[in-house]
Amino acid sequence: GNSVTQMEGPVTLSEEAFLTINCTYTATGYPSLFWYVQYPGEGLQLLLKATKADDKGSNKGFEATYRKETTSFHLEKGSVQVSDSAVYFCALSDRSGNTPLVFGKGTRLSVIA
Amino acid sequence: ETGVTQTPRHLVMGMTNKKSLKCEQHLGHNAMYWYKQSAKKPLELMFVYSLEERVENNSVPSRFSPECPNSSHLFLHLHTLQPEDSALYLCASSQGWQGDYGYTFGSGTRLTVV
Repeated sequence: GNSVTQMEGPVTLSEEAFLTINCTYTATGYPSLFWYVQYPGEGLQLLLKATKADDKGSNKGFEATYRKETTSFHLEKGSVQVSDSAVYFCALSDRSGNTPLVFGKGTRLSVIA
Repeated sequence: ETGVTQTPRHLVMGMTNKKSLKCEQHLGHNAMYWYKQSAKKPLELMFVYSLEERVENNSVPSRFSPECPNSSHLFLHLHTLQPEDSALYLCASSQGWQGDYGYTFGSGTRLTVV
């Protein structure tokens, strides 16, 4: 079946450090891939997405590239801020079947000043 | 403003109470969802409604009863809950339940069962 595996957290970084959160997936067909962010006390917000191989999604300084050969969609940001502290979820949509979005377990990021 | 509004934001209820959570979306979406988010556990999909019909029910106890009267509104009726049901309950909506365009989430209802 379809699945998403994210790196275990929590991840703690100093302000202005480089961020990578790994995400790999297993899916039939050609899924769409997403990153969601959840700030404390809030619901999930769509951060970025990519719908086909080699697409790069980007938003608010975050980027992720859809790598079909490695079945990965790693999230990166060049210089994190304290305000980026949140939980990040990788997700996939298997467009070939009648199944809802599949989410990873989430990775908590804490950025310290 | 996310486009998906959940009320109330916080709810404390006793184990013998009956309460309802409400979700409303004005995005023109045709699918709606209830998720449960507990501390240190993955997101749990509870119910999926597509075109106002329930299409998925992930072995949720009968003390949780969903209702979707139209494509803009979704309710979760609660009765005789247990303390382990305390969690953040998230509503989401999408165009098509396969999620090609992603889901839009509400801010959630923080439920505490005492």
